[in-house]
Amino acid sequence: EADIYQTPRYLVIGTGKKITLECSQTMGHDKMYWYQQDPGMELHLIHYSYGVNSTEKGDLSSESTVSRIRTEHFPLTLESARPSHTSQYLCASSVGGANVLTFGAGSRLTVL
Amino acid sequence: ILNVEQSPQSLHVQEGDSTNFTCSFPSSNFYALHWYRWETAKSPEALFVMTLNGDEKKKGRISATLNTKEGYSYLYIKGSQPEDSATYLCAPLLGNAGKSTFGDGTTLTVKP
Repeated sequence: EADIYQTPRYLVIGTGKKITLECSQTMGHDKMYWYQQDPGMELHLIHYSYGVNSTEKGDLSSESTVSRIRTEHFPLTLESARPSHTSQYLCASSVGGANVLTFGAGSRLTVL
Repeated sequence: ILNVEQSPQSLHVQEGDSTNFTCSFPSSNFYALHWYRWETAKSPEALFVMTLNGDEKKKGRISATLNTKEGYSYLYIKGSQPEDSATYLCAPLLGNAGKSTFGDGTTLTVKP
């Protein structure tokens, strides 16, 4: 059973809306990540955090922002959604040197 | 962005067939490689963590090998079953950056 939770699972919104995708984990993992997957494409890292008050941009440029105020919580925000933001967003966490990722169920975003 | 290649992109086999896939990655500054299985409507789950050149890991009918000098890993499935149908992702970590870069996966379909 997953110990990392994402909400909403599905979201359809109009252009220009502000949205926040929630991600919480109960495992006490220090590292958390956001991956984006466009249809038929690979997972791309867009944000990561190695601990509270630490956030970095990933390999793929994204207009989204993240925050890490608490260890267990790593929300992703889009201030003004556009159709190009339509994608699946996967949150993950890890701990220790092996860095094996535990994934959430994903948030599938559609911007009309 | 790190270049990780997986082949084939998709594979359709009959139940009972054995199959294998390849993951290629840059061999310099290797730290670890992870294999994940991603079933439809579920989250990716870790299969193997591989760190040493020549590593061989096995879980039931699934096994994996690693060659860090030439930069590749093989995943083998012996006697494929319909429940093996999934996308198999490899994710090498280079250096100790703690960031996984994913290949675009091999999607396996096992027909009964």
